Amino acid sequence: EVQLVESGGGLVQPGGSLRLSCSASGFTFSSYAMHWVRQAPGKGLEYVSAIISNGGSTYYADSVKGRFTISRDNSKNTLYLQMSSLRAEDTAIYYCVKESESWGQGTLVTVSS
Amino acid sequence: DIQMTQSPSSVSASVGDRVTITCRASQSISSWLAWYQQKPGKAPKLLIYAASTLQSGVPSRFSGSGSGTDFTLTISSLQPEDFATYYCQQTNSFPLTFGGGTKVEIK
Repeated sequence: EVQLVESGGGLVQPGGSLRLSCSASGFTFSSYAMHWVRQAPGKGLEYVSAIISNGGSTYYADSVKGRFTISRDNSKNTLYLQMSSLRAEDTAIYYCVKESESWGQGTLVTVSS
Repeated sequence: DIQMTQSPSSVSASVGDRVTITCRASQSISSWLAWYQQKPGKAPKLLIYAASTLQSGVPSRFSGSGSGTDFTLTISSLQPEDFATYYCQQTNSFPLTFGGGTKVEIK
């Protein structure tokens, strides 16, 4: 069974940094592209970032480009999202996603002073 | 980036009703479209991929159609567990953008 478990969320001040992790199990992690999707409170889904299976290519939404960095450690079956220069509008639940069919439970990031 | 426009943004319906949600892409995405269902406090659940392929375990009352720029999600006979918010997502090119969502409410 595919399991994706996000961690690392919390309260951070504007301008601060945070690193999210997603621990994957139940599938061959190194064979799949992985994604981050976020959802602000009461709002719709927003695509954030993707990384291909070997980490060789990455993609970002314009709203996070230059501030967020996606990476992965295939030896640890773990996906990361390094977030810096955080803004209030980055407040959201962040989901780790495999393909389209498997989503984690999400981790809440709150950016506030 | 490809823009995805969903309509309506909300719909009120009764159990047993047929419900149709549309999604329009700002450029052709062939059949690279997915539909999700999301209930409050839960992660989205994949219903349909490749525009019309039902994900394993999803009831057959859900169906998808379309190609190019215009797509439709149909629930043939609405059940109590179907009241939720539905999203489309284009999977043609990065960033894989979502539609704004359609909330299906009880009439």
